[in-house]
Parts: sequence; C-alpha cells; structure tokens
Amino acid sequence: DAGVTQSPTHLIKTRGQHVTLRCSPISGHKSVSWYQQVLGQGPQFIFQYYEKEERGRGNFPDRFSARQFPNYSSELNVNALLLGDSALYLCASITWGGNTDTQYFGPGTRLTVL
Amino acid sequence: QQQVKQSPQSLIVQKGGISIINCAYENTAFDYFPWYQQFPGKGPALLIAIRPDVSEKKEGRFTISFNKSAKQFSLHIMDSQPGDSATYFCAASIQETSGSRLTFGEGTQLTVNP
Repeated sequence: DAGVTQSPTHLIKTRGQHVTLRCSPISGHKSVSWYQQVLGQGPQFIFQYYEKEERGRGNFPDRFSARQFPNYSSELNVNALLLGDSALYLCASITWGGNTDTQYFGPGTRLTVL
Repeated sequence: QQQVKQSPQSLIVQKGGISIINCAYENTAFDYFPWYQQFPGKGPALLIAIRPDVSEKKEGRFTISFNKSAKQFSLHIMDSQPGDSATYFCAASIQETSGSRLTFGEGTQLTVNP
C-alpha cells in the first residue's frame, strides 16, 4: 500500500497569491490532519478532518481553510499569502486502534512565499 | 503558550553511545506521548509512543521513560548509530474519538559521530 502522498513537492508563490495543497491518505484511513512546520521548529496543528467534517482547528487565521473529499483526500487552501506562510506543510493520515489514534505523516509540501 | 518543552536543542553522541532527549509538558489532560524522527526533506516518522498508564516502553534500541508526577518523558536511544542522525520531536495529545491534535516540542538535532 502507498503511504501518504502530497502534492506538489515544492511551490513558490508571491505575497498576496493563493495556494492549494493536496493530500491523499493511506488507503482505509478516513481522517487527515494538516500541520505547518516552520524551519527549525516542530509542526503546528492547523486542521483535522474526519469523514469530510472538520473535527479541529488550530490557532491559524481565516486565510487558512481546508476540506476533505468523499475519497478521503484533502486540500489545504491559503489565501492572501504572507512571507510568514513559508513553511513545510505536512499532511497526516490517521488511524484508530486500541483507543489511540496514530498519525502517519506525508513528505510535505515546501511552500516558499517571496 | 509552549505546552511541550524539549531539550537539548542539539546533541552529539559517539557511535555506540546512549542518546537521551527530554520533554516536559504542562497540560495534565495529555494522555498520549509519541516520538517522531525526521530526516532532512522528509516528513516526521513515528518511532515509538506511550500512554501514561505505563512508566516505560521499549522497542528495539528505543525506550521511552515516563514520569507522570513530574510531567516529563524522555527518549533513550541505545547503541546510537550514524544512521540515527536526524531531528527528533516529542509530542503529546489528548485522545478523543473526534480526533486528536498533536502538540510538538521544538525538536532535537541528533548527530552520531562514527
């Protein structure tokens, strides 16, 4: 089975533009989370989706939005890009077992905002 | 508010030595504590995780020690190898059926010298 896939791998945008990042979870996983990882820091939680419903949102502005599709893939959208949005955006595929959820991360999308 | 504090920021160990990374948390509601390993250009990979009902968990060369009263947990890497050179992140979450969000530490850059 394929792991978590994310596209694109790298992206360069300019301030004020909009970006869409995509994620496909591991087959059979119905939940995904998005994280932002600024260089030199740990990932920060942005969103979690389960069965197309938002289940959690981190401390990010409304410029950030996401959605999950019937096939459980997901998109993260960021509007009005700022220089500070430059980061590695990670998608995690989530599975439940034994009252514990385990999150498996994809390789990420490296976003550079100029 | 930094809810999970990780130390040291960087660590250099000789091959065959023991690497020890420490984390402290503030939120006593946290009930799941995973460790992730991240190589440059890759997403974090789950190494080992522990629930607070046990004080220690061992998987191969990796051991988590957990001290609930002190609100601290640590990762021990025995017989460290150059291939272990990576950034390590501790994390914590509150397990909920609606989904959990991981709160990460700042990361530890481990270098294992041959």
